Formats: sequence, C-alpha cells, structure tokens
Amino acid sequence: GENVEQHPSTLSVQEGDSAVIKCTYSDSASNYFPWYKQELGKGPQLIIDIRSNVGEKKDQRIAVTLNKTAKHFSLHITETQPEDSAVYFCAAMIRSAGGTSYGKLTFGQGTILTVHP
Amino acid sequence: ETGVTQTPRHLVMGMTNKKSLKCEQHLGHNAMYWYKQSAKKPLELMFVYNFKEQTENNSVPSRFSPECPNSSHLFLHLHTLQPEDSALYLCASSPEPPMDQGNTIYFGEGSWLTVV
Repeated sequence: GENVEQHPSTLSVQEGDSAVIKCTYSDSASNYFPWYKQELGKGPQLIIDIRSNVGEKKDQRIAVTLNKTAKHFSLHITETQPEDSAVYFCAAMIRSAGGTSYGKLTFGQGTILTVHP
Repeated sequence: ETGVTQTPRHLVMGMTNKKSLKCEQHLGHNAMYWYKQSAKKPLELMFVYNFKEQTENNSVPSRFSPECPNSSHLFLHLHTLQPEDSALYLCASSPEPPMDQGNTIYFGEGSWLTVV
C-alpha cells in the first residue's frame, strides 16, 4: 500500500519568514495530493491540492510543488503569520484495484508549525 | 462551518457502554468516511460509504459498527470499547470522483472520545 512520509515533525519560524514542509510517497500510481491544516480543537481543513498532471500550484501565500519522478511534494508558505500556526498534513490518493478512489487518502504524520510574532 | 457536522463533540464512555457518533453533511456529496486520529499517529481511514453502500472497511474491530442510512448521514455505533480506542473520530465527505482523478475530502470538526 501507499506510504507517506512527512518532514519535519515540528517547525518553528519567525513571523514573515517562509516555511517549507516536505512529503514523499511510495506508490507511483498516486495522482492527487492535498494539504490540510488542522487548528487546535478542529478538524482538518483543505488548504491546497495538486494533481499529478501539474508541477506547481499557488494560492496567495501558499504554494505546492510536485516532483513525480522523485515522488515528493512540498508545501511552501511565504510571509508567515501567527495565525498560520497549526498542524499541517500532507496526503496522497491511491487508487484501488478497481481503478476508483473514494477518498482513500494516506496521510503523513503531520507537522506542527509555530509562527512566533 | 465546513458543511460536515458531527455530534457529540465530546463523549466519555465506560467500556461496557453503548454509544453512537453522528455525522451529517450538507454538501450534496455521495461518499462519506470515518477516520480515526490518535496522538502522534497519522489519520487512519476506518470506513468508506459510497451511495450508502460500504466500500471500505479498513480492518476495523467489530466493536465499531458504522451505519449509513442515506448519503447525508453517517453513524458510528460504539460498544465494549477499550481505553486505547480513545481518540478524535473524524467524519468526512466527498463528491463521487471520476476515475483517475482525485476528489476533495471535507472533514467535520470531529468527536473527541474518551473511554474510561
């Protein structure tokens, strides 16, 4: 099955700095890679995603890059703010043997991001 | 407000109790899921329902019993749980995806379960 490794497990930055979180996946059949942000006491919220036919996607201060050859993808947050502090999860979608994938996401272990004012 | 509502938000139960977690989605999605989130572990998929039919049971012990009466509602019935079952249980939903494309999953706020 799919295995997703996420690093670092904790990340501490100063406000205004950039933060980068990296994930690797094992199954080359994976074709969908979302990133979730989970604030304390809340469920994970999708912040950005990328499909395998795209190498990079950007949404304001957040960007995700995908390297299919190396099987890794990264989340980049620029100009970090204290409200960016949360746990971030990467995930990869693996298709079942039947070719369908009803939300069978495999998640990374999570990164605790702390942005200091 | 994510469109996926879970109740109760917090539940404490004894090992001999029977309780249920409820999830309702207002997004018009066809697929619903239960995930388990434990400390220091990745989110674990438990069950998948698509159009009310269970399509995935990720080797979950029988003390967890899901029920999906329609595409908008999902339950997780709990009985004779163990303390190690204490965790955050997350419900999620997504539209039915076309093949070979990803689908976006929307999570609820979760139900914190403590088994004593």
